[in-house]
Amino acid sequence: GAGVSQSPSNKVTEKGKDVELRCDPISGHTALYWYRQSLGQGLEFLIYFQGNSAPDKSGLPSDRFSAERTGGSVSTLTIQRTQQEDSAVYLCASSKTGLGNTIYFGEGSWLTVV
Amino acid sequence: DAKTTQPTSMDCAEGRAANLPCNHSTISGNEYVYWYRQIHSQGPQYIIHGLKNNETNEMASLIITEDRKSSTLILPHATLRDTAVYYCIVRPSSISNFGNEKLTFGTGTRLTIIP
Repeated sequence: GAGVSQSPSNKVTEKGKDVELRCDPISGHTALYWYRQSLGQGLEFLIYFQGNSAPDKSGLPSDRFSAERTGGSVSTLTIQRTQQEDSAVYLCASSKTGLGNTIYFGEGSWLTVV
Repeated sequence: DAKTTQPTSMDCAEGRAANLPCNHSTISGNEYVYWYRQIHSQGPQYIIHGLKNNETNEMASLIITEDRKSSTLILPHATLRDTAVYYCIVRPSSISNFGNEKLTFGTGTRLTIIP
């Protein structure tokens, strides 16, 4: 596929369960970003990976949220002990390096915590 | 701490040019102007970006004022499918960060194309 791929597209989970969301960036893109968007709200930055550098975790809302990126490609966002306020669409994006590069977004993973 | 100001909403007649303004009066020399749009809650779609010069692609044109304090996104012949929230974003880009910096989204302009 040519674009950023995310899975699952939709996930319904019970409060207190852990969830994992996967992102497959565009081939050759070294930078990877996670955002989330609650219903009717704006996009909120969560975390950013660049190559082998330490990730920028400044946007993670709590220690229940973590993310990793293995082999500089696929990334997994994990939410532990999910709460109802975690319900949102989680968006992944990727880009090449270089000045004025373009960030491309996936279609998102819709998470509903019941 | 969004660095841009956009109107909350705009209407445009189908077939007409849609001109979406954006103010970024505090823009720095290494900051690019990016435009994205979002239809419902789909992933944001990249439209165009520029640094100093005007830019045009198959989707739109970007006009940046000479002082770089404002810009206008132009959709030349708006269609109903162009109804979306349009985000104007100022994004720094430097060699020290590999050209990468996160996008900080504001509230955007809700553009409605009227049949």
